[in-house]
Amino acid sequence: AQSVTQPDIHITVSEGASLELRCNYSYGATPYLFWYVQSPGQGLQLLLKYFSGDTLVQGIKGFEAEFKRSQSSFNLRKPSVHWSDAAEYFCAVAASNFGNEKLTFGTGTRLTIIP
Amino acid sequence: DTAVSQTPKYLVTQMGNDKSIKCEQNLGHDTMYWYKQDSKKFLKIMFSYNNKELIINETVPNRFSPKSPDKAHLNLHINSLELGDSAVYFCASSQGPQTGELFFGEGSRLTVL
Repeated sequence: AQSVTQPDIHITVSEGASLELRCNYSYGATPYLFWYVQSPGQGLQLLLKYFSGDTLVQGIKGFEAEFKRSQSSFNLRKPSVHWSDAAEYFCAVAASNFGNEKLTFGTGTRLTIIP
Repeated sequence: DTAVSQTPKYLVTQMGNDKSIKCEQNLGHDTMYWYKQDSKKFLKIMFSYNNKELIINETVPNRFSPKSPDKAHLNLHINSLELGDSAVYFCASSQGPQTGELFFGEGSRLTVL
């Protein structure tokens, strides 16, 4: 069965600084990988996804993520954060033969932005 | 127009009661889901329906009964509520199982006293 680890429970970043959120997955074959964002009191919104092809994927709101098979990682990055990026970020993995039906989420990383 | 809407947003109730949460999506999607998010923010799938048919039931106690009257609606009924049922319940939808994007509702926070 697949699993996801987000090693950082909480990260604090200054506005305008760069950001990297870590995600490691465990899955025997090529996974489908996702990053979702949850703003306070809201549901989750998809930031980006990786299915195949180019290992650097671009998402909404200026985010990108890089799939590194050798490290079983799919880290999320943003070159310059904005106060509105403060939220909870979830990495998720799905078995490629099931897709959404077997989506497994990590426990999330809470991002705080300081002025 | 809200794409995936859930009601109620908040539920406070006593142990042993029965409660329902309703979900509707206006995206024309075929697949709908219920997820449970616990106090540690861990998000776990409970059920998945595709075109009104149950596809996934992830070892959820049978006190939880989903019902899909049509593909735009997926309701969750919970009998004999227990303290451990306190959580935020999210409804979601997708165009299909291989699309890779779930659209989530805003969640329904259930508190069992």
